[in-house]
Amino acid sequence: GAVVSQHPSRVICKSGTSVKIECRSLDFQATTMFWYRQFPKQSLMLMATSNEGSKATYEQGVEKDKFLINHASLTLSTLTVTSAHPEDSSFYICSARRGGYEQYFGPGTRLTVT
Amino acid sequence: QQQVKQSPQSLIVQKGGISIINCAYENTAFDYFPWYQQFPGKGPALLIAIRPDVSEKKEGRFTISFNKSAKQFSLHIMDSQPGDSATYFCAASIYGGSQGNLIFGKGTKLSVKP
Repeated sequence: GAVVSQHPSRVICKSGTSVKIECRSLDFQATTMFWYRQFPKQSLMLMATSNEGSKATYEQGVEKDKFLINHASLTLSTLTVTSAHPEDSSFYICSARRGGYEQYFGPGTRLTVT
Repeated sequence: QQQVKQSPQSLIVQKGGISIINCAYENTAFDYFPWYQQFPGKGPALLIAIRPDVSEKKEGRFTISFNKSAKQFSLHIMDSQPGDSATYFCAASIYGGSQGNLIFGKGTKLSVKP
């Protein structure tokens, strides 16, 4: 149990376009989902916390108008990178919290902006 | 005070040996301490976790030792195997605090030599 999926696993887009990443909890309901960004050989950097039915809470320094988060249901959260630029190229990972503590991570999405 | 300090940054162990990774924290309000295993290009996978009410938790070859007074916890991997070669992250969180987001250590890259 506790499976989280992400789609797509890899995406290449042109500078100035937008890309949407989906995160789904497959076998449990998650009232809270998290979005992280990870640079090569570094730890995970929390971008935002997403609660079902309410606005996401963004970490300091993360542009909320650039990284749009929607948590439309208890099993789905989406991250849209708007007007993407090469510096947005990164590994994006979501996680879903089951119960009070346990967080389960998706497999990640490799975004490359050309 | 929100930091979790992890050491060593990298670790090389012979097959069959014991791998030990250490973490230290400052915030005494932390009450959940998980360890994650991450392979290249994949999302982190929850390995084992502990609450402060116990000093040790064992699951198969993986053991967490927790020292509340020293504010330290460690991961021990017994009989280390080449398949254990990955990056390991410790983390800490507060139940209900900031919606339960994890504070991660910087990671330890483990290489198990055959």
